[in-house]
Amino acid sequence: DAKTTQPTSMDCAEGRAANLPCNHSTISGNEYVYWYRQIHSQGPQYIIHGLKNNETNEMASLIITEDRKSSTLILPHATLRDTAVYYCIVRRDNFNKFYFGSGTKLNVKP
Amino acid sequence: EAGVAQSPRYKIIEKRQSVAFWCNPISGHATLYWYQQILGQGPKLLIQFQNNGVVDDSQLPKDRFSAERLKGVDSTLKIQPAKLEDSAVYLCASSSEVGDRFFGPGTRLTVL
Repeated sequence: DAKTTQPTSMDCAEGRAANLPCNHSTISGNEYVYWYRQIHSQGPQYIIHGLKNNETNEMASLIITEDRKSSTLILPHATLRDTAVYYCIVRRDNFNKFYFGSGTKLNVKP
Repeated sequence: EAGVAQSPRYKIIEKRQSVAFWCNPISGHATLYWYQQILGQGPKLLIQFQNNGVVDDSQLPKDRFSAERLKGVDSTLKIQPAKLEDSAVYLCASSSEVGDRFFGPGTRLTVL
């Protein structure tokens, strides 16, 4: 499975958009990009995933570059409750394994 | 929909003692996972069950860790004997055929 690279930490002002980048330059054609987050003292929580096209749900938007070597998770209006560690993961289609890296610690500040 | 349940939430033991964790997955989820999360790191997969069979236990330290999933529902993870480096949060997750994982709140283990 392709490895991912994320910044260790980021700050964001409450109410502003949080843009979390992820590099996955060795991603292969059948690998999806998944995002999870982990709020302090809780288990990881699924946010969104995509293959090629940009995706949006009630939590976030996922923008994947045309060459699929990087992606950005966008939280359109960050709140204090969005403070968490965000994990970008790639996994193969129809193959259940995936691996967590160290993620990005997002600090949303008032 | 009820989530993944785990117990206990916290456990403190001394090294060389034994400990067991319990997980009840989401109803109907055939796949169950145990992860170990050391402070400051992402979760690491220890073992994956499909129904009551083991799919992947390549990262499980089999000399001291064991896990079972009798009847393909609940699961227990045991450490015997515990070492200081086993201090971590142990997360249980389950998934349906689609593959999206739902995680429990975890058990925080402290080995003194």
